[in-house]
Amino acid sequence: DQQVKQNSPSLSVQEGRISILNCDYTNSMFDYFLWYKKYPAEGPTFLISISSIKDKNEDGRFTVFLNKSAKHLSLHIVPSQPGDSAVYFCAANFGNEKLTFGTGTRLTIIP
Amino acid sequence: KAGVTQTPRYLIKTRGQQVTLSCSPISGHRSVSWYQQTPGQGLQFLFEYFSETQRNKGNFPGRFSGRQFSNSRSEMNVSTLELGDSALYLCASSFQGGNTDTQYFGPGTRLTVL
Repeated sequence: DQQVKQNSPSLSVQEGRISILNCDYTNSMFDYFLWYKKYPAEGPTFLISISSIKDKNEDGRFTVFLNKSAKHLSLHIVPSQPGDSAVYFCAANFGNEKLTFGTGTRLTIIP
Repeated sequence: KAGVTQTPRYLIKTRGQQVTLSCSPISGHRSVSWYQQTPGQGLQFLFEYFSETQRNKGNFPGRFSGRQFSNSRSEMNVSTLELGDSALYLCASSFQGGNTDTQYFGPGTRLTVL
C-alpha cells in the first residue's frame, strides 16, 4: 500500500525553466511533508518542508505547495539549474510516526 | 560537525549469509532510523531507535534487526540473506526523532547478495 506516490519516475526540463515535481498521498493523518534530493552515491538531503497548517512554503528557488483537499503536494524549482539534476523524494509523516517516502522522480535539467 | 557515517560503503554477500551494517549519527543526535532503497520502491522504513530502544518498526521480516548503543551508534543485522535483500541501506539521524525534526542521511551501504 503506497501511501505516498510520485507517479512520474522521470522529468526533463530545460535550464532556466520551471521544474514541477508532484506527489500524492492517501493517509489523511499526515500533517508534515518534506522533499529530499538525492545525488548518486550520496544519501538524500533535506530540501524543504511544509506543515499541514500552511499551503505554501518558499525557500529561495524552491517552493512547495500543499493542497490538502486533493491530498497533493508539489515542488516548484525556478529557475532550474544543471545542479538540480537529481532524484527527488517526497515524504510525509505525523506525530512520532515514521517518515513514509514516495518512489522518487529523477529530474534532468537540460543545458 | 561531522555528518552521518555508514560502514562499510559496499558489501557483497551470498545467499544464506548474514551481514551487519553500522551507522554513526551526527554528534548529539539520539534518533537513528534505517531505510532500504530499491529501484521502484523508494525508501522503505525499517526501524527507528531512540535512546537504545526500538521506537518504530516497518513491515520487514524478523531477519532484519537492529540495535543502538549508549553512544547512539546503531547497527543493523540481516540474517539468512536472500537475493531480494540487495539494496542500498540508508541510515538517518535526528535530534529527537519527532515529525518536524530534520533527518540527516548517511551515504548508505550498497549490499549485493549473490
